[in-house]
Amino acid sequence: KQEVTQIPAALSVPEGENLVLNCSFTDSAIYNLQWFRQDPGKGLTSLLLIQSSQREQTSGRLNASLDKSSGRSTLYIAASQPGDSATYLCAVNKHNQGGKLIFGQGTELSVKP
Amino acid sequence: DAGVIQSPRHEVTEMGQEVTLRCKPISGHNSLFWYRQTMMRGLELLIYFNNNVPIDDSGMPEDRFSAKMPNASFSTLKIQPSEPRDSAVYFCASSMGQGGYQETQYFGPGTRLLVL
Repeated sequence: KQEVTQIPAALSVPEGENLVLNCSFTDSAIYNLQWFRQDPGKGLTSLLLIQSSQREQTSGRLNASLDKSSGRSTLYIAASQPGDSATYLCAVNKHNQGGKLIFGQGTELSVKP
Repeated sequence: DAGVIQSPRHEVTEMGQEVTLRCKPISGHNSLFWYRQTMMRGLELLIYFNNNVPIDDSGMPEDRFSAKMPNASFSTLKIQPSEPRDSAVYFCASSMGQGGYQETQYFGPGTRLLVL
């Protein structure tokens, strides 16, 4: 059974700091991995999607990496801003389960001005 | 595009009542997903449809829950009878995909359900 774990559960950093959020999964047979952002009381917004054949994806100040063999992904946020404060979730799309996403519990990020 | 639309945004009901949640996916998307989010269990997939056909309903908690997708632009999730433990935020999401494998999922704002 695929399990997705995110560490840490919460993180507080001063503005401007570079930071890394971690995601690990138990079954390396994935189709893709996605990182989402969730603001309080809101839905999820997709940030980055990495296909299983890719090693990383970049969008602006965000960089996501994927190491399938070790079952790990990281989301790197450069020069953090207070507007980055939100909960970040990773989700894996298992290879033989079509569109089913398995989510981690998320990392709640707070960036202090 | 207006994005995924869900209604109602908030629902308060009493135990035993029927609850119907509605979703309009993004036009042109061929897959639709219903999720439930709670503090205890996080975000869980309940059911998803591909081309209006239910593909995986293994996450539907019990027979009290049912979902339909009568056409490509509308889906409902029904709980009958509702119980306090059904209180959660219910999200609908849609995406494009080929052969059942999906790309980026776009989420609606959610329906916050409270069952008293």
